[in-house]
Amino acid sequence: GQNIDQPTEMTATEGAIVQINCTYQTSGFNGLFWYQQHAGEAPTFLSYNVLDGLEEKGRFSSFLSRSKGYSYLLLKELQMKDSASYLCAVRDRGGSGGSYIPTFGRGTSLIVHP
Amino acid sequence: DTAVSQTPKYLVTQMGNDKSIKCEQNLGHDTMYWYKQDSKKFLKIMFSYNNKELIINETVPNRFSPKSPDKAHLNLHINSLELGDSAVYFCASSQDPGTTFSGANVLTFGAGSRLTVL
Repeated sequence: GQNIDQPTEMTATEGAIVQINCTYQTSGFNGLFWYQQHAGEAPTFLSYNVLDGLEEKGRFSSFLSRSKGYSYLLLKELQMKDSASYLCAVRDRGGSGGSYIPTFGRGTSLIVHP
Repeated sequence: DTAVSQTPKYLVTQMGNDKSIKCEQNLGHDTMYWYKQDSKKFLKIMFSYNNKELIINETVPNRFSPKSPDKAHLNLHINSLELGDSAVYFCASSQDPGTTFSGANVLTFGAGSRLTVL
């Protein structure tokens, strides 16, 4: 299984940049995901990293270092609507069928204030 | 045109009752999942089915019985409900179970079913 750690809560100001870190310990690593979840809603996919480096997608970027078991999600030009929980999920081999099932961290609640 | 739909959205019931949550996906995905999200927002895998076959059962009490009549549907039946079963249950689907190094294989989640056991 995995051990996934991310901060419980972060606050930031509208227009600023925030970095949400995620560390993990796992064997058979096969990808790291970031999902966004607004209160009372379903998680939605933001980004995917399987190789080391930075993946940029508009205002959001995600970085992975497999040797360090470390990822971060970078949010630029923060908007009020970015207030949500950000879930780090690691895909690993699990189950007798050998399937790769994403395991989620506890999520980081981001509060963006004016 | 909802991709993953689950019903009911809210369910309030007494301890000891039996209840079911239904899930359907119209994405043509092969794999479906049930996740449980507790009050601390921890999203934990319960079951995974691929083409109607159970592939993952993550130490869930046998009071929980998933059923997949076809690959587009995965229902969850819970017997003898307990207070600790109160949570939001999310259904999700993906292209395949990710057994090969085949890309992101992103999960698409339903809107969730909030179960409250009194």
